[in-house]
Amino acid sequence: NAGVTQTPKFRILKIGQSMTLQCAQDMNHNYMYWYRQDPGMGLKLIYYSVGAGITDKGEVPNGYNVSRSTTEDFPLRLELAAPSQTSVYFCASRASTDTQYFGPGTRLTVL
Amino acid sequence: DQQVKQNSPSLSVQEGRISILNCDYTNSMFDYFLWYKKYPAEGPTFLISISSIKDKNEDGRFTVFLNKSAKHLSLHIVPSQPGDSAVYFCAARVNYGGSQGNLIFGKGTKLSVKP
Repeated sequence: NAGVTQTPKFRILKIGQSMTLQCAQDMNHNYMYWYRQDPGMGLKLIYYSVGAGITDKGEVPNGYNVSRSTTEDFPLRLELAAPSQTSVYFCASRASTDTQYFGPGTRLTVL
Repeated sequence: DQQVKQNSPSLSVQEGRISILNCDYTNSMFDYFLWYKKYPAEGPTFLISISSIKDKNEDGRFTVFLNKSAKHLSLHIVPSQPGDSAVYFCAARVNYGGSQGNLIFGKGTKLSVKP
């Protein structure tokens, strides 16, 4: 049981490039989340999903897209990377209880 | 506007003493509160939670107190251990509109426990 896994761990992008951050969970959780954490700040919700095929915007969705074709996977897409997207990205999932389980994070730098 | 505030960016305590981490919130619609602990280069891990209908919840060395009238909660760690050194995030559950179950996080407090 791996919990929540994220790939890659680190990535450096050039301005304007695109990439997909991968997130997978093996706990059969319906709810999944993407957060970003900037230095000295709390976690801000980018997008979330309440089940396969259903996604919704969080607090800071601009510049990102998501899809949820399976229960296990919830990839986050950056289409035109900007320096403001330099951050640490965390994926999380939960079942019907309120405890969210987090992945180890992806550290992204946009230069 | 910050709905969940952790006004102390850092806290340093001696091993064996009590650590008290504070959190204030502004939205009276929050009905569930959680504390997460985060080590460097790792994701946050759940520590302890409390429902808004309670005023205290204990789990071993960790106790969370909730004062609804003051919109304030605190996490007590007794006794503090060097392994408790981490960043602690307070989070509140949004349970209205279409955002059931979403969490709003504070900025975190970095706890250092000195041997």
